[in-house]
Amino acid sequence: ILNVEQSPQSLHVQEGDSTNFTCSFPSSNFYALHWYRWETAKSPEALFVMTLNGDEKKKGRISATLNTKEGYSYLYIKGSQPEDSATYLCAFPSSNDYKLSFGAGTTVTVRA
Amino acid sequence: DSGVTQTPKHLITATGQRVTLRCSPRSGDLSVYWYQQSLDQGLQFLIQYYNGEERAKGNILERFSAQQFPDLHSELNLSSLELGDSALYFCASTKESSYNSPLHFGNGTRLTVT
Repeated sequence: ILNVEQSPQSLHVQEGDSTNFTCSFPSSNFYALHWYRWETAKSPEALFVMTLNGDEKKKGRISATLNTKEGYSYLYIKGSQPEDSATYLCAFPSSNDYKLSFGAGTTVTVRA
Repeated sequence: DSGVTQTPKHLITATGQRVTLRCSPRSGDLSVYWYQQSLDQGLQFLIQYYNGEERAKGNILERFSAQQFPDLHSELNLSSLELGDSALYFCASTKESSYNSPLHFGNGTRLTVT
């Protein structure tokens, strides 16, 4: 069973502030690391798929970095807005098969 | 809209019954994944199909089965339902069976077992 851990479990951010949170994964046999955003009453939506050590991806005010050697990825939200309120999930594919295991998520609440 | 269609949206049934959840993947996608989200739990992988063949299996109960048909739609069958099977069931699709392909999720089927 793969351990994909996300921290913190939740965080509250003031509108306009920036924030970041972590996804930790096994550093051996790395294939890819996925990030998804899951808004309330909607379905998860892919943000990034990261494959290379040192990879940085950006989508608007959201960006992510990847360190495969130490087994972590950071997701950053710059200048948080209320519409950024969501649960952010990371997912890691198993080295043995195609199973994509999800972390429990970090729930971000942006206060106006 | 992800292009992945799941039906029905809601399902209420009694313990011991059997239900079928249906998923139509995005046009052109060959791979279908099923996930379960129970109360206070994250997304739990159930099973994956690629072009009609089972590719990966998670902690799927023996009472659950799935298949992917030649037209690529998939069905998840849940039988001898128990209260604990109440959950949100998601289907997701990708073009390939590849670690690099992001999943495109449907809106889910909410199953309530009473």
